[in-house]
Amino acid sequence: GNSVTQMEGPVTLSEEAFLTINCTYTATGYPSLFWYVQYPGEGLQLLLKATKADDKGSNKGFEATYRKETTSFHLEKGSVQVSDSAVYFCALSYGNQFYFGTGTSLTVIP
Amino acid sequence: ETGVTQSPTHLIKTRGQQVTLRCSSQSGHNTVSWYQQALGQGPQFIFQYYREEENGRGNFPPRFSGLQFPNYSSELNVNALELDDSALYLCASSLGAGGYADEQFFGPGTRLTVL
Repeated sequence: GNSVTQMEGPVTLSEEAFLTINCTYTATGYPSLFWYVQYPGEGLQLLLKATKADDKGSNKGFEATYRKETTSFHLEKGSVQVSDSAVYFCALSYGNQFYFGTGTSLTVIP
Repeated sequence: ETGVTQSPTHLIKTRGQQVTLRCSSQSGHNTVSWYQQALGQGPQFIFQYYREEENGRGNFPPRFSGLQFPNYSSELNVNALELDDSALYLCASSLGAGGYADEQFFGPGTRLTVL
């Protein structure tokens, strides 16, 4: 079946550190891939997406590349800020279904 | 532009009862999806409605049912409540032809507690 496996948290980083949150997926075809973010006290919102292999999604300094050969969609940011503290969810859509990972909590300290 | 709204915010029911949760889509959005999010977990897809028709369903039993109205607002109904139904229920709307690559806009959720 289809599923998303996400790096366990919580993750704590100092400001300006490099961030990687790992996400791998299992799908029988070619899904669309997403990262959603939930800031404290707010609802889920789309951070970035990629709809086909080798696509790179980017937004607010975050990037993720759709890697078909490794079935991965890792989230990266070169220099995190305190305001990036949030819970990050990797997700895929395929065949009229959505699948979310369990979420990774990120805390950035000054 | 009004975002996705859900009502009620919190709800307490007892096992065996029935519950109806409501969602108003973002203006102009014709597709709505419902999710169940248990504490510490990611959202689990329940189903999606596009133009008043169910357009996809996750691994949830038939006692979870839904409706979408002509104004694209939506309801989630759960019959014969079980303790494990206690969760945050999220509604998300999107603009598209029921496609699954569209950005979803999430509401704040309804917290359901089943005693």
